[in-house]
Amino acid sequence: AQSVTQLGSHVSVSEGALVLLRCNYSSSVPPYLFWYVQYPNQGLQLLLKYTSAATLVKGINGFEAEFKKSETSFHLTKPSAHMSDAAEYFCAVSDTGNQFYFGTGTSLTVIP
Amino acid sequence: NAGVTQTPKFQVLKTGQSMTLQCAQDMNHNSMYWYRQDPGMGLRLIYYSASEGTTDKGEVPNGYNVSRLNKREFSLRLESAAPSQTSVYFCASGTGGPRNTQYFGPGTRLTVL
Repeated sequence: AQSVTQLGSHVSVSEGALVLLRCNYSSSVPPYLFWYVQYPNQGLQLLLKYTSAATLVKGINGFEAEFKKSETSFHLTKPSAHMSDAAEYFCAVSDTGNQFYFGTGTSLTVIP
Repeated sequence: NAGVTQTPKFQVLKTGQSMTLQCAQDMNHNSMYWYRQDPGMGLRLIYYSASEGTTDKGEVPNGYNVSRLNKREFSLRLESAAPSQTSVYFCASGTGGPRNTQYFGPGTRLTVL
């Protein structure tokens, strides 16, 4: 089965600082990779996804992620954190079927 | 469009009671999914339905049953609730296949005493 590992269950950054959330995947086949965001008491919504086109993927709200096959990574970045970015972020991977595997999540705190 | 709706939003059950969580989507999606979210464990797939008339087990199907009633609706049933099933349950829908974006409902918070 596929899996993803998110390093750091909690990340704190100052407003205006770089956001870096880490995700590594294990996959025996070329994966499809996703980042979702969950605001308090809400469902998840898609930030961005990698589906084997460009390795640098741009998403909503200024987030982007780079697929690095050699490092089996798909880290999420944003150059300048905003207070509204405080949320929980999930990396996910899917295989050739219909199953999706989510990481354990990273809670992002933005300090004013 | 309402997107994905779930009922109820909150539920408290006693051990051994049964209940059905309802999910509906109005986006004409083929695939629907049920997940549970537990602290420190992320989301885990319980069951999914790739298309109307089909259902398949996910990672954690034990203690649950599902019904894909029609293209719009996908219900999750707990026949005999256990405290280990205390969780937040999310329904999602998508066009299907490994590249598809999933659209999530707002969740049902279930407590089993």
